[in-house]
Amino acid sequence: EAQVTQNPRYLITVTGKKLTVTCSQNMNHEYMSWYRQDPGLGLRQIYYSMNVEVTDKGDVPEGYKVSRKEKRNFPLILESPSPNQTSLYFCASSFRRYNEQFFGPGTRLTVL
Amino acid sequence: AQSVTQLGSHVSVSEGALVLLRCNYSSSVPPYLFWYVQYPNQGLQLLLKYTSAATLVKGINGFEAEFKKSETSFHLTKPSAHMSDAAEYFCAVSEPKSGGGADGLTFGKGTHLIIQP
Repeated sequence: EAQVTQNPRYLITVTGKKLTVTCSQNMNHEYMSWYRQDPGLGLRQIYYSMNVEVTDKGDVPEGYKVSRKEKRNFPLILESPSPNQTSLYFCASSFRRYNEQFFGPGTRLTVL
Repeated sequence: AQSVTQLGSHVSVSEGALVLLRCNYSSSVPPYLFWYVQYPNQGLQLLLKYTSAATLVKGINGFEAEFKKSETSFHLTKPSAHMSDAAEYFCAVSEPKSGGGADGLTFGKGTHLIIQP
């Protein structure tokens, strides 16, 4: 089944404890992206990647890192999480840059 | 730079009534346009997309949208609402970008559709 998977689905952590949210797609898509969703703000892009080893900042990159060492994986790293990073995070992928994106199920992160 | 405006953060309709969710965009070039639906505790699912072919686009679950260049609109409609349509709906635009910042899709803030029995 073609899909985007994210892990974990739910995470509660404390300020400053490094964490990684994994994202993987099995559709051989070139383009991958991370979003955060907050009430009243819609989805805002954190980082995106147009292909392996090619990543760039979106609208809200501060406090986040990404890597794209393999085409299928695009992990999101929070090296020192803070409470303002409490949010619902989505990974998405598409065949090419401006095509429709396929979304993962989301990761709900709470930083205490 | 493109932007997307969805009029009404909440829209309430009766079961069986017409559903109309409004989306206006600003774009310097003909864009690609999308509608996504998000059910509770789930990711976003593509409803339909406009990619410069027919201006009336049909999607899943009986939804359709019409691209009107003169009005820069891409409103979503469904003739008869069903209880299962209750969800959050997002309009998104995609166009070649210039400069820094977000890439790919730009989303509206979403419209929560409520279906009254």
